[in-house]
Amino acid sequence: DGGITQSPKYLFRKEGQNVTLSCEQNLNHDAMYWYRQDPGQGLRLIYYSQIVNDFQKGDIAEGYSVSREKKESFPLTVTSAQKNPTAFYLCASSTAGGGRAEAFFGQGTRLTVV
Amino acid sequence: GQNIDQPTEMTATEGAIVQINCTYQTSGFNGLFWYQQHAGEAPTFLSYNVLDGLEEKGRFSSFLSRSKGYSYLLLKELQMKDSASYLCAVRAHTGGFKTIFGAGTRLFVKA
Repeated sequence: DGGITQSPKYLFRKEGQNVTLSCEQNLNHDAMYWYRQDPGQGLRLIYYSQIVNDFQKGDIAEGYSVSREKKESFPLTVTSAQKNPTAFYLCASSTAGGGRAEAFFGQGTRLTVV
Repeated sequence: GQNIDQPTEMTATEGAIVQINCTYQTSGFNGLFWYQQHAGEAPTFLSYNVLDGLEEKGRFSSFLSRSKGYSYLLLKELQMKDSASYLCAVRAHTGGFKTIFGAGTRLFVKA
């Protein structure tokens, strides 16, 4: 079955450490996205990528980094520069370009800084 | 930039009809989506509008007016399982296509 997989589901990080969240899709989608969701809030765009080896900053990119070396994979690194990283992180993919490019979401990673 | 506004919370009764409104401001408009999100879960796609008018899909309908920057999601014959957050999202082409989400409307369905 095609889908989008995030791992791990729960992640604990010590202050000052970098941590990488995995996102893999087998939907053959060109576009991939990372969103952050805080309790009771909507989704805020961190980074997005329309094609392999290219990505753009979203609205809250500071303290995060990404790579897009393969079409299937779009890992997100939460760096020590991110001052308040505890949140629910959602990865999504879609077809690129215009038209009905609905986003398919992974099940999310809940990151907690301890 | 983009701006999307939705009511924070709504309450409705099982079996009733509820309308969730969304207003938006964006350049490069390329479509509007509605997603449903249950607590602790990922959002799931409900509807897509790119032209003005009403799109109906079972108990769910979505309306768009591009000139007014306005959309609504209509839920009929409400069921308890419809208690969830409903996210309005706008796809825009601003140096690349991206989808921006509103803060969501939490709907509580009571018996």
